[in-house]
Amino acid sequence: GQNIDQPTEMTATEGAIVQINCTYQTSGFNGLFWYQQHAGEAPTFLSYNVLDGLEEKGRFSSFLSRSKGYSYLLLKELQMKDSASYLCAVMDSNYQLIWGAGTKLIIKP
Amino acid sequence: TAGITQAPTSQILAAGRSMTLRCTQDMRHNAMYWYRQDLGLGLRLIHYSNTAGTTGKGEVPDGYSVSRANTDDFPLTLASAVPSQTSVYFCASSDSTRDTQYFGPGTRLTVL
Repeated sequence: GQNIDQPTEMTATEGAIVQINCTYQTSGFNGLFWYQQHAGEAPTFLSYNVLDGLEEKGRFSSFLSRSKGYSYLLLKELQMKDSASYLCAVMDSNYQLIWGAGTKLIIKP
Repeated sequence: TAGITQAPTSQILAAGRSMTLRCTQDMRHNAMYWYRQDLGLGLRLIHYSNTAGTTGKGEVPDGYSVSRANTDDFPLTLASAVPSQTSVYFCASSDSTRDTQYFGPGTRLTVL
């Protein structure tokens, strides 16, 4: 079966750095997506990785290792507004997104 | 640009009643999707449409139907609602099935 694993919840301090991990087992691979979802709102697109390596976008970076079935989202200089759930999703061989349950990130002052 | 709109925002529905959730996008995206999101679970695909006039079943299609008469609209119908269909429903669209998906604001549905 297809499976996406990510931690249920993480806590970090304002101004710090946090890394949210995602491991996956899917039928084929056509890219990995990270989305941010604030409580009661829609998921919003953060990043896309299809090749191995690090993609940097401002305070957010995303890393992919296809051989290990592993990705992480790195958030730097954490702000209170970063408190949200972060969803990892893999596009499988049929170009359908398989979603993890999400990681709830709590930022403390 | 509005992007994707969904209606209603929330609804309480008696079991056995029918309901249509509406979804409209103004980005001229070819592909559209319906997901449900339940606590502790990832988003699950209900139905999708790769292009106007075509639809397909996702992971959890039972009890739901869709139509795609034109590019902009992708309504989701519950023919006879059951309490297990209580969920938050998100509509999404993408330029093609290989592209990034963009989400509407969601509909919170409670079936009693």
